[in-house]
Amino acid sequence: AQKVTQAQTEISVVEKEDVTLDCVYETRDTTYYLFWYKQPPSGELVFLIRRNSFDEQNEISGRYSWNFQKSTSSFNFTITASQVVDSAVYFCALIENQAGTALIFGKGTTLSVSS
Amino acid sequence: EAQVTQNPRYLITVTGKKLTVTCSQNMNHEYMSWYRQDPGLGLRQIYYSMNVEVTDKGDVPEGYKVSRKEKRNFPLILESPSPNQTSLYFCASSLSRGLYNEQFFGPGTRLTVL
Repeated sequence: AQKVTQAQTEISVVEKEDVTLDCVYETRDTTYYLFWYKQPPSGELVFLIRRNSFDEQNEISGRYSWNFQKSTSSFNFTITASQVVDSAVYFCALIENQAGTALIFGKGTTLSVSS
Repeated sequence: EAQVTQNPRYLITVTGKKLTVTCSQNMNHEYMSWYRQDPGLGLRQIYYSMNVEVTDKGDVPEGYKVSRKEKRNFPLILESPSPNQTSLYFCASSLSRGLYNEQFFGPGTRLTVL
């Protein structure tokens, strides 16, 4: 069965600190996609990244970076030099090739960045 | 502008009073779905539709109905709302089912059932 675990329920940091949000997934499929979404206080879901199971290259986008490791079934998200605007709930999600009808979300990590 | 719209954005209602949350997309997407978000539970799929007149249950379908009479619209119907359906609801669409297609989410509908 597919499952996404975000063990960190809440994280609090001070501005300019680096922070890593963990995501561990379970799937029996060899083909799948992993996602990260940001949900700011306004409530909408903001797409951050999609990564397929065959591409283990790490990705960097500005202050954001993602580390995908199939060996540990993890897809961790790091924010470098955090800012107050990064305060949000972050969701990791998985969709499988065989099922492919639903995104399976983790329970989310609430990140609070104080100035 | 390509988008998924939901209405209403906020709704407070009472137990048992039928309501419909509309969802519309302008991208000619075949696949649409509804999720609910609850604190500590993340988002869970309620229903999905792979095309017009084709709908199926997701993980938490109890108490909900959907219809897909037109490609662009996928309304969520609560025939007799109860307080445990108080939640944040998201509609999503993608070109087709499956992992190759990015899902676009609507802005969310915050529903309170008293």
